[in-house]
Parts: sequence; structure tokens; C-alpha cells
Amino acid sequence: NAGVMQNPRHLVRRRGQEARLRCSPMKGHSHVYWYRQLPEEGLKFMVYLQKENIIDESGMPKERFSAEFPKEGPSILRIQQVVRGDSAAYFCASSPSSGGDYEQYFGPGTRLTVT
Amino acid sequence: KNQVEQSPQSLIILEGKNCTLQCNYTVSPFSNLRWYKQDTGRGPVSLTIMTFSENTKSNGRYTATLDADTKQSSLHITASQLSDSASYICVVRINTGGFKTIFGAGTRLFVKA
Repeated sequence: NAGVMQNPRHLVRRRGQEARLRCSPMKGHSHVYWYRQLPEEGLKFMVYLQKENIIDESGMPKERFSAEFPKEGPSILRIQQVVRGDSAAYFCASSPSSGGDYEQYFGPGTRLTVT
Repeated sequence: KNQVEQSPQSLIILEGKNCTLQCNYTVSPFSNLRWYKQDTGRGPVSLTIMTFSENTKSNGRYTATLDADTKQSSLHITASQLSDSASYICVVRINTGGFKTIFGAGTRLFVKA
């Protein structure tokens, strides 16, 4: 059973470009979470999605950031008009459900560098 | 305010020695607490999970304790190995029927030969 897959693993973008980060959850998992980790800092929650629905986006910046989890295909975190402050590691996690003691399984992350 | 604080921020120990990492939280209502290990350049991996009624849980050389009254947890690593060098993250889940979790900033452990 493959784990959570994220691609690309490394992404370099120039200021003003768009970044698209992909996350394929573990088989059988319908809940996806995105986190951002700045250098030397802890993970910060961004958004929680179920298939075709955004459940909680309280951690998402109000502008330039969006996320989706379509019925078919991976979850996408999209950052428009990137700025240097967007440089970070972006982790995706998945779980079979949101309640109880369900563990979130993390992917290897995408390291975004904005030049 | 819901917070999770970890100490120390970083720690250097010699291979074979034991160490204890601390986690204090002010999260309420409390659901559970997990310790994760995050190797450099990788995603976090769960080591232990503890609910309100549990006060100790082991996973190999890792032993976690929980004091729900003082809202403190510790992670004890026995007979450390070079491969234990990583960040250890304390994560507390809020009992709102949903998924909300609060991450600590982590303790960076360096095990030296």
C-alpha cells in the first residue's frame, strides 16, 4: 500500500509565477490536510479537504492560495503570484476519517523555493 | 488560546545515552496527544498516541508519558542511536468532534557518535 505521494518534491519558481503542488492520499483515505513548514519552524495547518469539499481553510492566507480535492485525481494546492515569503516545505497528510484517533499519514513534502 | 510548547528547542546527546523531551499544552478540550518523529527532509511519522486515560505508552525505545492534570507530556528515548537524530513533534488534538490539531514547534535531537 503506497503511502501519501507528493509531487514535485522540489519546485523552484520566480516571483510572480504560479506554483501547483500535488498530493495523492493513501489508498482508501478521503481526507486530506495541507501544512506549511517554514525553515526552523513547526508545521502550520493550512486547509482540510474531503472529496470535492473544503472543510476548514482557516489556516489559508486569504489571497493567492487555493486548494481543491476533486472527485478524481490528486489534491492540488495552488499558489498564485508567488513571493519570496512563500518559500517553505508544504506537507500533505491523509486519513481515512477525521474523527476519533485516526492518524494523519504525511507525505514527503514539496520544497518550494521562490527566487 | 490553544498552544503546544516543547522544550528544549534542541538537544545534543552521545550515542547510547538516554534523553527526555518535554511538551506542555494548553489545548482544551483535549482529545489525544501524539508524538511524531520527523527526519530531515521527510514527513512526520507517528511514534505514539495517548488519550486522556492513558499515562504511559511505549514503542520500542520510545516511551511517552501523559499527565492530563498538569497538561504535560514527555517522550523518553532509551539507549539512543545515531538514527534517532531528528525533530520530535508533539501534536495535540482538540476534542470538537472534528480534526483540529495543534502542532508544537518540535525539539531537534542530535545524537553524536
